[in-house]
Amino acid sequence: GENVEQHPSTLSVQEGDSAVIKCTYSDSASNYFPWYKQELGKRPQLIIDIRSNVGEKKDQRIAVTLNKTAKHFSLHITETQPEDSAVYFCAASDRGRRALTFGSGTRLQVQP
Amino acid sequence: SQTIHQWPATLVQPVGSPLSLECTVEGTSNPNLYWYRQAAGRGLQLLFYSVGIGQISSEVPQNLSASRPQDRQFILSSKKLLLSDSGFYLCAWSEGASRGPGQPQHFGDGTRLSIL
Repeated sequence: GENVEQHPSTLSVQEGDSAVIKCTYSDSASNYFPWYKQELGKRPQLIIDIRSNVGEKKDQRIAVTLNKTAKHFSLHITETQPEDSAVYFCAASDRGRRALTFGSGTRLQVQP
Repeated sequence: SQTIHQWPATLVQPVGSPLSLECTVEGTSNPNLYWYRQAAGRGLQLLFYSVGIGQISSEVPQNLSASRPQDRQFILSSKKLLLSDSGFYLCAWSEGASRGPGQPQHFGDGTRLSIL
């Protein structure tokens, strides 16, 4: 099955700086890569996703890049704000299980 | 539009008691349904998933079970809770197989379960 590794586990940045979270996956057949944001005590919410036929996708201050050859994808947040503070999870589709395999999460803290 | 309902929001149960958590989805047909558990400060552990009525796949052998009695209803149960069952339980849905592999999952608000 799919295996997803996520780094770093914690990330602290100053307000206005950029933040980058990286994930690698093991199954070259995976074709869908979503990112979720989970605020304390809340449910994970989908913030952006990318499919394997696209190399980059952007939505305002967030962007995701995918390198299929290297089997890694990254989340980029620019002009960070305190409300960006949360845990972020990457995931990859797992065809064998018809499920997503999640990374272990990154706790992002944006210092005002 | 699609919505997912999960209840109760919080639950405090004694060790050895039974458990039943319920999840329903509205606005879609034949969804894939999922149960996750999240320990405090940890990641998402997939417990069960279902691609259709009566079809349950178990990811982790333990004292929990799941059932799908109706197309858009997913139930998580236990006959005897353990201390280690404490956590944040999340139900999720995604479009079914007819939409192809690799669909986003949408989570319910979760149930915070404390075992005493």
